[in-house]
Amino acid sequence: QKEVEQNSGPLSVPEGAIASLNCTYSDRGSQSFFWYRQYSGKSPELIMSIYSNGDKEDGRFTAQLNKASQYVSLLIRDSQPSDSATYLCAPSHSGGYQKVTFGTGTKLQVIP
Amino acid sequence: GAVVSQHPSWVICKSGTSVKIECRSLDFQATTMFWYRQFPKQSLMLMATSNEGSKATYEQGVEKDKFLINHASLTLSTLTVTSAHPEDSSFYICSARVGHSYEQYFGPGTRLTVT
Repeated sequence: QKEVEQNSGPLSVPEGAIASLNCTYSDRGSQSFFWYRQYSGKSPELIMSIYSNGDKEDGRFTAQLNKASQYVSLLIRDSQPSDSATYLCAPSHSGGYQKVTFGTGTKLQVIP
Repeated sequence: GAVVSQHPSWVICKSGTSVKIECRSLDFQATTMFWYRQFPKQSLMLMATSNEGSKATYEQGVEKDKFLINHASLTLSTLTVTSAHPEDSSFYICSARVGHSYEQYFGPGTRLTVT
């Protein structure tokens, strides 16, 4: 079992729709969860962090966390073509080494 | 805030030579920096964790004598790829932690091509 699992996609959504990106993780000790966006050929950019069960909203982005199910998701409302990128899920590592574990990412394509 | 720079942004070197990549936190002090490598169409692979003033912690399978990491100050970490070979060609990205948070902010990356 992979430590962090994401559907590689591509996930195609029409412009203006809601994009839903999902992630499951195996480390039950993970306490912090992050979503990064990576455009092709660029480095990742932090877009959301969530630490408690439930929802966290920031602009068009909503992160959802369910620690019991070891599941975290990212919703993007009113998707724009500029949202087309790979989204990386990154739970913290509980081994005390201050690091996070990156998933392989879901490629999102927003169709104009 | 939380800006991380990397230099150079791209480098081409000949097989057998060494290349140094610098990673700087511009507007904050970073006690911990991370070095990643990313091959085309693959995810980030953590190479090592670098703590200021101490030896880097390398991930399993990463040769510490080949990838030398120095975190000399709270704003600068360097990665030296020694005796580079074509298989070391990759996108090298550093990141830095802000305070005690697990949040990491990434530099723009360095694209290394070894001929």
